[in-house]
Formats: sequence, C-alpha cells, structure tokens
Amino acid sequence: TQLLEQSPQFLSIQEGENLTVYCNSSSVFSSLQWYRQEPGEGPVLLVTVVTGGEVKKLKRLTFQFGDARKDSSLHITAAQPGDTGLYLCAGYPSGTYKYIFGTGTRLKVLA
Amino acid sequence: DAGVIQSPRHEVTEMGQEVTLRCKPISGHDYLFWYRQTMMRGLELLIYFNNNVPIDDSGMPEDRFSAKMPNASFSTLKIQPSEPRDSAVYFCASRRTGSGNTIYFGEGSWLTVV
Repeated sequence: TQLLEQSPQFLSIQEGENLTVYCNSSSVFSSLQWYRQEPGEGPVLLVTVVTGGEVKKLKRLTFQFGDARKDSSLHITAAQPGDTGLYLCAGYPSGTYKYIFGTGTRLKVLA
Repeated sequence: DAGVIQSPRHEVTEMGQEVTLRCKPISGHDYLFWYRQTMMRGLELLIYFNNNVPIDDSGMPEDRFSAKMPNASFSTLKIQPSEPRDSAVYFCASRRTGSGNTIYFGEGSWLTVV
C-alpha cells in the first residue's frame, strides 16, 4: 500500500515554464518533507512543512502543506534546466516512526 | 563532518551469491534506515533501527534479506542467495532524535545481480 501518491509521475517542460507537483495521502502526517534526487546520488532535503496550511518559499520553489496535513504541493516558477531531477515527498504518518517516501515525480526541464 | 557512508558503491554479482552491503551512520544519530530504490517501485523502506534495535522490518521482501546493527556506528544488509530481481540501489540513512525529521542519506550501493 502506497501511502503517498505523487502526480504527475513524469513531467517534461521547457525552460521558463511553471509547474506544480502534488503529493497526496489518505493519512495525516505530522510533517512532510520534499527532496530532490539527482542521478547517482541520494535524496537531498529541500524543505520541511509542519503546520497545516503552511507555505514555504525557497527561491523559485514554493511548498504548501494542506490544511488537513494530508497533502502537499511543490510549485516551481520559471523552471530552469538545473531543476531537472526526481522530486520526492516523504514523512511520518501520524503515530508512527516509519519514514516513507512518495512515488516520485521525474522532472526534465529542456533548455 | 562525515555523512552517511555506504560500501560498496557498486557491486555486480552472480545469482545465488551472498551480498553484504555496509553502512556507517552519522556519529550521534540514533535512527538508521535501509531503503531500496527501483524504477518500478520507487524508494521502499526495508527496515529501520533505533538505538541499534530493529523496530520495523515489515518492508524486508523475504527471508533472503537480513539486516543487523551490532553497534551504533555500523549496520549491514545481507542478501543470501541473491536474485536478479534484487538489482536496485540500496540506500542507508540516519537521523538523530531531536533534530526534527531531517534524515541524511548515503550515496547508495548500486547492486546488479546477473
């Protein structure tokens, strides 16, 4: 059972376009984190969202945590080729210490 | 500070052989996680330890897989006998209680079973 579903699974866009990646669950999470993973490397943490409704910005990346803490989104403005990679949401379902990852979104930004 | 260290980085082995993957967590971290990543199944949690004790191994695919953590600075993931479907990247990660939910990953061990 996959508790964290991401969409879209794959995304190929032109440089300068905007995009949004979604992370959804039927379970409540105490917090959610977003990672980016590049080929040959482990995931690298981008941000942690904790409070329902929270919005965090990291340069051109905007992260939002749903009010019910069951979903999150990542919005990239004016995507650049350097944004290319695998984006993963992850977290602990409330009441557990089992840290799980979403299904992943593979983003390719074309120059 | 050194990050999570995994070895080997790459291994190619024949079906039926024993494979041992090694991990050294970040010093002072009390949680250690083993993940497997494939294109089809994404990042799957195999097992995690807290203070060297296995807490949840429900993600271990079958009895051919075993993991140990004999001390706070070392863990192994063993596959015996290995099968081609075990080919994947295996990641070790660690975190420290009280540091929020930040987990630090190693660079992974790329396993190919032929």
